[in-house]
Amino acid sequence: LAKTTQPISMDSYEGQEVNITCSHNNIATNDYITWYQQFPSQGPRFIIQGYKTKVTNEVASLFIPADRKSSTLSLPRVSLSDTAVYYCLVGRGGAGSYQLTFGKGTKLSVIP
Amino acid sequence: EAGVTQFPSHSVIEKGQTVTLRCDPISGHDNLYWYRRVMGKEIKFLLHFVKESKQDESGMPNNRFLAERTGGTYSTLKVQPAELEDSGVYFCASSQDRHTEAFFGQGTRLTVV
Repeated sequence: LAKTTQPISMDSYEGQEVNITCSHNNIATNDYITWYQQFPSQGPRFIIQGYKTKVTNEVASLFIPADRKSSTLSLPRVSLSDTAVYYCLVGRGGAGSYQLTFGKGTKLSVIP
Repeated sequence: EAGVTQFPSHSVIEKGQTVTLRCDPISGHDNLYWYRRVMGKEIKFLLHFVKESKQDESGMPNNRFLAERTGGTYSTLKVQPAELEDSGVYFCASSQDRHTEAFFGQGTRLTVV
């Protein structure tokens, strides 16, 4: 399973755009890139998933370069409620189990 | 629509006792996963069901852990006998298929004393 590397923590002021970059140098051809958010005492919550190029939904954008060895989660205009741990995961997209491999995540603190 | 629900939310048991955790996935989700986070560590995969069949149980730590999903609906995870190192938060997740998003429950906090 591909290992991911992301910042341990980040601070941001309210209203700013936050970009969290994740490295996954040994990503496999079939792997998807998925980001989850977790608040204290809650289970992880899916944010966005992509395979290549750019994906955007109502809460975030995911940028994936052509070599797919990294990805960047972009959160526009963060608010205090975006304070959470953000996990970058690279999962097997082929046949068989689709287990998610969580790393340590990035603890984002949004400051007023 | 109800999300993934887990019961109990917290369980405190003595070493050597048995505990059974329950997970009700989102209705219609064939894929059900168990994960856990032990103290200070990362969230780790335990196993994956597709309907009632175990697709992947490579993450199960040892034979004290038994997961079942009779009828392909809810799932149980039994720990027997529990050890101190089993303490942690056990998460259940479900998804419609392997590649779509997995929805996680709130988790069950297990404390073995």
